[in-house]
Amino acid sequence: AQKITQTQPGMFVQEKEAVTLDCTYDTSDQSYGLFWYKQPSSGEMIFLIYQGSYDEQNATEGRYSLNFQKARKSANLVISASQLGDSAMYFCAMREGPGSNYQLIWGAGTKLIIKP
Amino acid sequence: GAVVSQHPSWVICKSGTSVKIECRSLDFQATTMFWYRQFPKQSLMLMATSNEGSKATYEQGVEKDKFLINHASLTLSTLTVTSAHPEDSSFYICSAWTDYNEQFFGPGTRLTVL
Repeated sequence: AQKITQTQPGMFVQEKEAVTLDCTYDTSDQSYGLFWYKQPSSGEMIFLIYQGSYDEQNATEGRYSLNFQKARKSANLVISASQLGDSAMYFCAMREGPGSNYQLIWGAGTKLIIKP
Repeated sequence: GAVVSQHPSWVICKSGTSVKIECRSLDFQATTMFWYRQFPKQSLMLMATSNEGSKATYEQGVEKDKFLINHASLTLSTLTVTSAHPEDSSFYICSAWTDYNEQFFGPGTRLTVL
């Protein structure tokens, strides 16, 4: 069974609009972490935002925020005021609790294209 | 932020030759590094976990003798693709945790085997 599900293979969004990228996860651990990474065409993986399972507040980093709904097991990434430079692949990932050896479990990714 | 470097950025080699890829943590010590492989338009696939001073832990289906990993110091891990063949052509990325909540990635190495 998929542990990280990103249901949107691709999205087109108009510049300056807000974007929500979906991510749902599946784990039986109480302690886990959720991550979003951006991968532009250059290939580098850029860390965007992190949410811990015990964090009560939604994580925010500049224009990025994570809409964490624990009961629904969802961790959607919201990008406000999208820019052309936001065009990239976006990956959601999860680190499960102790014993996982800090491995990340990855979603399939969402290709985001920002239109001018 | 923390920086992880990879060398080379891209490499083209002939079939049957070996290629070494270096992954360095530049401003922090990394007892554990990860090696990923990524095919076009796909997600990252974990190949192995590299532990400083001990043998790497390989994921199921990854050939240990094909992909040799050496984590000789707290700042350097190497991946050697031995007797490379065209099917080994891929994008290889390494990563390391700086602390419990931050994993940083190298810029990746694009390998093309002719």
